[in-house]
Amino acid sequence: AQKITQTQPGMFVQEKEAVTLDCTYDTSDQSYGLFWYKQPSSGEMIFLIYQGSYDEQNATEGRYSLNFQKARKSANLVISASQLGDSAMYFCAMRIYSGGSNYKLTFGKGTLLTVNP
Amino acid sequence: DAGVTQSPTHLIKTRGQQVTLRCSPISGHKSVSWYQQVLGQGPQFIFQYYEKEERGRGNFPDRFSARQFPNYSSELNVNALLLGDSALYLCASSLEARGVTEAFFGQGTRLTVV
Repeated sequence: AQKITQTQPGMFVQEKEAVTLDCTYDTSDQSYGLFWYKQPSSGEMIFLIYQGSYDEQNATEGRYSLNFQKARKSANLVISASQLGDSAMYFCAMRIYSGGSNYKLTFGKGTLLTVNP
Repeated sequence: DAGVTQSPTHLIKTRGQQVTLRCSPISGHKSVSWYQQVLGQGPQFIFQYYEKEERGRGNFPDRFSARQFPNYSSELNVNALLLGDSALYLCASSLEARGVTEAFFGQGTRLTVV
């Protein structure tokens, strides 16, 4: 069974500083993808960044980068130059691509990020 | 372009009643998945539909059912509502059922069971 662990219920960061949100995962499958989503208070899940298990380079999308350490089974999200609008819940999720999988997303419990002015 | 749309946005139901939630995927997307998110938790997978067929089901009781229509829109039905069914129900659409495709989510339907 797949499992995502986010150990930081809440994080605080000063505006314009960088912040790292932790995510560890557990799976015995070799082919999988890791996702980060942002959920503001409105409820919509906004896709931020994706890392495939066979990708050799860490994914980057604008101010977002994913620090992928396969041996440690971690996929931390780094947000550079934090903005007030980054305040939200952040979820790490995993999808398995093995045969027979229905490709569901398995989510962690989330981290509430607060950006202070 | 319209994103994933869900209706209604908010709903209040009484225990024992039945509810139907609706989802319209992004144009061209053939896969729709449903997730339940209770307060303080991450979303939990309920169903995935692709080309009108159920492709996956999460660990939910038979009170939960869904279907997908020829235009790829989907409905989630919950019978005999319990207080514990109170949650945000999210619909996600993807281009395909498999493959490295991201899932785009709607804003969800907030269901309150009293």
